Amino acid sequence: DAKTTQPTSMDCAEGRAANLPCNHSTISGNEYVYWYRQIHSQGPQYIIHGLKNNETNEMASLIITEDRKSSTLILPHATLRDTAVYYCIAKRNFGNEKLTFGTGTRLTIIP
Amino acid sequence: DTGVSQNPRHKITKRGQNVTFRCDPISEHNRLYWYRQTLGQGPEFLTYFQNEAQLEKSRLLSDRFSAERPKGSFSTLEIQRTEQGDSAMYLCASSFIGQGAFNEQFFGPGTRLTVL
Repeated sequence: DAKTTQPTSMDCAEGRAANLPCNHSTISGNEYVYWYRQIHSQGPQYIIHGLKNNETNEMASLIITEDRKSSTLILPHATLRDTAVYYCIAKRNFGNEKLTFGTGTRLTIIP
Repeated sequence: DTGVSQNPRHKITKRGQNVTFRCDPISEHNRLYWYRQTLGQGPEFLTYFQNEAQLEKSRLLSDRFSAERPKGSFSTLEIQRTEQGDSAMYLCASSFIGQGAFNEQFFGPGTRLTVL
């Protein structure tokens, strides 16, 4: 799996958009970008994934640069319940089943 | 609730004792994973099963660790002769592998092990 780099921590005001960056400069063509988050005392939770097109679901949007070397997870209207550690993971969809988590970004939503 | 369940949620044991954790995956999920998470770190992969077959084991899984999924449903993770370094959160996840390309892993709440 390609290595990913994320900021250690970020703050965001409640109600504002939270933009979480991830660098994956060595990502290969068949690796997807996955985002999971882990709220305190819970197991990780899937958020979204993408290959090269931007993706949106009910939780978030994922913007992947054209060269695929970086991406940004966007939580459009952050709430206090979005306070969590967010993990960006590069992984193939087949032939590699484990998720390789880094240390993630600790996002704190400020009231 | 039909999510992944893990028992016990907390376990305190003395060094040298054996412990066993149980994971019940989401019904009909054919893949089951075990991860370990220490304080301040992301989860680390330990092993995974497809149905009852154990398909991959991390080198983190020493000889003292054994995992089973005897009937392709629930799984157990046993640690023999526990050491203080085994203190961690043990997470279980499950997924369904079918014809679709996407494999979302659903995680349980974890079992927190403290070895005194």
